[in-house]
Amino acid sequence: IAGITQAPTSQILAAGRRMTLRCTQDMRHNAMYWYRQDLGLGLRLIHYSNTAGTTGKGEVPDGYSVSRANTDDFPLTLASAVPSQTSVYFCASGEHSTDTQYFGPGTRLTVL
Amino acid sequence: AQSVTQLDSQVPVFEEAPVELRCNYSSSVSVYLFWYVQYPNQGLQLLLKYLSGSTLVKGINGFEAEFNKSQTSFHLRKPSVHISDTAEYFCAVSNTGGFKTIFGAGTRLFVKA
Repeated sequence: IAGITQAPTSQILAAGRRMTLRCTQDMRHNAMYWYRQDLGLGLRLIHYSNTAGTTGKGEVPDGYSVSRANTDDFPLTLASAVPSQTSVYFCASGEHSTDTQYFGPGTRLTVL
Repeated sequence: AQSVTQLDSQVPVFEEAPVELRCNYSSSVSVYLFWYVQYPNQGLQLLLKYLSGSTLVKGINGFEAEFNKSQTSFHLRKPSVHISDTAEYFCAVSNTGGFKTIFGAGTRLFVKA
């Protein structure tokens, strides 16, 4: 069982380009999340999904979009990347009953 | 609104010494409390959690935490640390069943030989 996989592992991107970060889980969790991690700020929620077909905005949603076509996949798209989106991005899935979350290995994104 | 404050950004400690990582939270409703650990270049993994019941919670790798409702704290402790405990530790809070978890800024534990 892989748990949660993220791709790519790292990426360098020119400002203004479009980028999709991929996230797949095999635990059949209903809830999925995207966070960004920045030094000194901890993890900040970008978007979340409580179940397939629904999504919601987190603390820092501007410049990002998500979709949840099925239970397993939860891609994050940057429509037009900006340098302030340089960060490490973590995808997570979770159990509704306990709010416990399981994290992927992360994607390190650099926008130049 | 909920919030989490980790009182120390960095904690250096010698191997085999005890350690306490402090966490305070604020919330107007019942909460679930968590500690996650992040080793270098990895994602977060659950260390322990408090959902209800006994206020002393035991987790993996010999860590434990105590929920103190009156002081709104959930400090993490280990009686004797190892070099391998060097990592960043995150305290987190969620309102029960609310599907949103708030993370603290993290405490970097550095264990020295």
